[in-house]
Amino acid sequence: QQQVKQSPQSLIVQKGGISIINCAYENTAFDYFPWYQQFPGKGPALLIAIRPDVSEKKEGRFTISFNKSAKQFSLHIMDSQPGDSATYFCAASGGAPGGGNKLTFGTGTQLKVEL
Amino acid sequence: GAGVSQSPSNKVTEKGKDVELRCDPISGHTALYWYRQSLGQGLEFLIYFQGNSAPDKSGLPSDRFSAERTGGSVSTLTIQRTQQEDSAVYLCASSFGGRGTDTQYFGPGTRLTVL
Repeated sequence: QQQVKQSPQSLIVQKGGISIINCAYENTAFDYFPWYQQFPGKGPALLIAIRPDVSEKKEGRFTISFNKSAKQFSLHIMDSQPGDSATYFCAASGGAPGGGNKLTFGTGTQLKVEL
Repeated sequence: GAGVSQSPSNKVTEKGKDVELRCDPISGHTALYWYRQSLGQGLEFLIYFQGNSAPDKSGLPSDRFSAERTGGSVSTLTIQRTQQEDSAVYLCASSFGGRGTDTQYFGPGTRLTVL
């Protein structure tokens, strides 16, 4: 059972354009929604995260939009740059019986920003 | 200073052999997580440690997988009688605590290939 669905699987954007990646979740116990960026050969690194008590969070060129009623959230990358070319994962956590913050990941989006 | 480190970076083994993967978390981080990243299954949670205890082992795929953590620091993931489907990148992450908003910092992973 895939609890976090992510789309698109891959995305090509022109330099300066807006990259948009979408995720949907099923588990209403989730209460923390981070986005991770991963470069080849590296581990994922936290990009930006949101809690469900707000509908939007912006950090620099990166914005998360969150729709609690629809159980959807998205990542917007403004003014996309070639250095943003990476794989992006949405994730969710919360309500784990053993406590902790285990992350349930989406399937990833390979972003390529072309000159 | 240093981030999460993992060793070895690459491991090639024969089917049926046992392997041990090591994780050194960021100093002072009480929470430690193991994840597995494979082409077919994406990023999957395996186990969560708080200190030396493992309150959530729900992601371990079979009893061939085990993990321990000693001194509230280093963790070892052991896979016994490896199978080809165990081939994946094994990622370790640590966080300051196990709360919902505590950022997980990932290591570079160990790429395991089972021949």
